[in-house]
Formats: sequence, C-alpha cells, structure tokens
Amino acid sequence: KAGVTQTPRYLIKTRGQQVTLSCSPISGHRSVSWYQQTPGQGLQFLFEYFSETQRNKGNFPGRFSGRQFSNSRSEMNVSTLELGDSALYLCASSLVGSPNTEAFFGQGTRLTVV
Amino acid sequence: DAKTTQPTSMDCAEGRAANLPCNHSTISGNEYVYWYRQIHSQGPQYIIHGLKNNETNEMASLIITEDRKSSTLILPHATLRDTAVYYCIVRAGGGADGLTFGKGTHLIIQP
Repeated sequence: KAGVTQTPRYLIKTRGQQVTLSCSPISGHRSVSWYQQTPGQGLQFLFEYFSETQRNKGNFPGRFSGRQFSNSRSEMNVSTLELGDSALYLCASSLVGSPNTEAFFGQGTRLTVV
Repeated sequence: DAKTTQPTSMDCAEGRAANLPCNHSTISGNEYVYWYRQIHSQGPQYIIHGLKNNETNEMASLIITEDRKSSTLILPHATLRDTAVYYCIVRAGGGADGLTFGKGTHLIIQP
C-alpha cells in the first residue's frame, strides 16, 4: 500500500511569508502528527490530529498551526516565517486505539527560509 | 515517557551483527520500547518494538533485560545501507503523537 506522502518535497520562502505543507496518511490511518527537525534541536513534536481535532501539541509558537480534513489528510501552516523555521518538516500517520502500534513517516518537506 | 540514554556513535563491520544498547532505567510497567532509524535526510523508519519479551522481525531483534531497565537492538548481518541514526523511544502509547526523539546513536557500517 502507498506510504505517507508529503508535498512539496522542497520549498524556499522569504522571511515574513507564510507556508502551507500537505500530508496524506496511509489509507485507513486516522492519526496524523507533525514534527520539525533541525540540526540544533533534533526531531521535535509539533502537533497531532485525529478525526479533524488537534489532540496534542508540542512547545511551538502560535505561528505554527495545522488542520485535518475528513479524509484524514492534513496540512500545517507556518505564518510570518523566520530564518529559524528552516527545517525538515515530517509527517507521520498511525492507527489509533491500541498502545501497540507503530508510526509511519513521510519523506518530509525541506523548507528553507531566506 | 521515560528518558533513554544511547551512545552517540558506534561502528560495525559489514556482515557482522550490530548491537545497539539503550538504557531506560525509569521505564514504567505499561511503557513499550520502540526503535526507529533515520537514514540521512529521510523520514524515520519503524524497526521494532516490545514490552518485556524479546522480539524479532525481518529487520532486527530486540532484547529487553528482565528488569526492563535496558535493551539491545540487534541487526544480525549489517550492510552499508544500515548506516543511520537509531532512536530508542520508551512510551506508554503507540502511534506517532508526541514521540520524544533523543539524539540517538549514529551507527556507521564500515566496508
């Protein structure tokens, strides 16, 4: 079956702009989580959505937001981009309802803010 | 979620078994041990997980000590493609919400 798909793969934006990233989970997976990876901070959890509701949120400013659609696809938005937002943004999907499940990650979107 | 400690880096010869240790001395009874790896600039890949019994799948084996305070991931016949950062994560729930990734172990397979 198809894996987690993230688009676009690469993106260059200017400071102050906003950006929207997209994630299509594995068919049947209803939980989608987002992570930011930078060389300095490593992999950090942004937020998690299930059934169009945000269930968990990491320690990021309000400029980072997301949403999930009825088909489980998710988008994340970063407004007023800063240079420090340059990172690999990863999306992961999983089944829910069991403590015994693994997460499947996409290839990520590489965002460069100039 | 309990904290984990892993060596920063390790080397292993191609074709040999790679044994990656992880300490999780504060693990709770309902917490699983999960292993993921990340090959350069790709998304993390799930490897294996376990609660208290040893586990084996097509990729690796997971050995958990009887007191569950540490575990070892074993790649039985390492190849160059196994060069990656390996993350040991301890958590009560499954899924991807709020996974806490540490620095992991950078495993380098030498030809």
